[in-house]
Amino acid sequence: RKEVEQDPGPFNVPEGATVAFNCTYSNSASQSFFWYRQDCRKEPKLLMSVYSSGNEDGRFTAQLNRASQYISLLIRDSKLSDSATYLCVVNRGGSYIPTFGRGTSLIVHP
Amino acid sequence: NAGVTQTPKFRVLKTGQSMTLLCAQDMNHEYMYWYRQDPGMGLRLIHYSVGEGTTAKGEVPDGYNVSRLKKQNFLLGLESAAPSQTSVYFCASRMTGYATEAFFGQGTRLTVV
Repeated sequence: RKEVEQDPGPFNVPEGATVAFNCTYSNSASQSFFWYRQDCRKEPKLLMSVYSSGNEDGRFTAQLNRASQYISLLIRDSKLSDSATYLCVVNRGGSYIPTFGRGTSLIVHP
Repeated sequence: NAGVTQTPKFRVLKTGQSMTLLCAQDMNHEYMYWYRQDPGMGLRLIHYSVGEGTTAKGEVPDGYNVSRLKKQNFLLGLESAAPSQTSVYFCASRMTGYATEAFFGQGTRLTVV
């Protein structure tokens, strides 16, 4: 089983829709969590960190469920510009290496 | 504020040639990483460094060497390029601590013919 797993998609949604992605992690020593966005042929960029209490940034909401070992990303009122791949990243305590999921592809169409 | 800078951005090599990719960061980060990204494969870690003078192997180290002689620079070398090394290479850096995020360079698109 991969340490960090994501549904590759693509998720194909109309503008204005609400869409949610999950990311599961297998190592209970995982301590910090992030969502990155990667546009085609570009570098990944931090979208938001995921805190235990959940956090919101505009149309984006991230949540952590430690008991079930997953994090989620909710995007409300989708825009065409939200089309990208969303990567889940997990940092384990005692490890120098961030673990990346393979990403979930989102396509927002008119 | 440059962040993480990779050079070159693009390169075409012939099979058997060698080259060095340079990654430079100006954020005083201790940790640096080299990844490759291929279609459908996600990011795969080649080598990483946890401080000046240190390097370690990642998931796919074969055919690559690295050096971290200065804290701000992390070099990735291909000794004898092969078509299987055609890929997009990303460098990343981050501060110490588990709650820190990684910052990426813009990538190097390498084609080996």
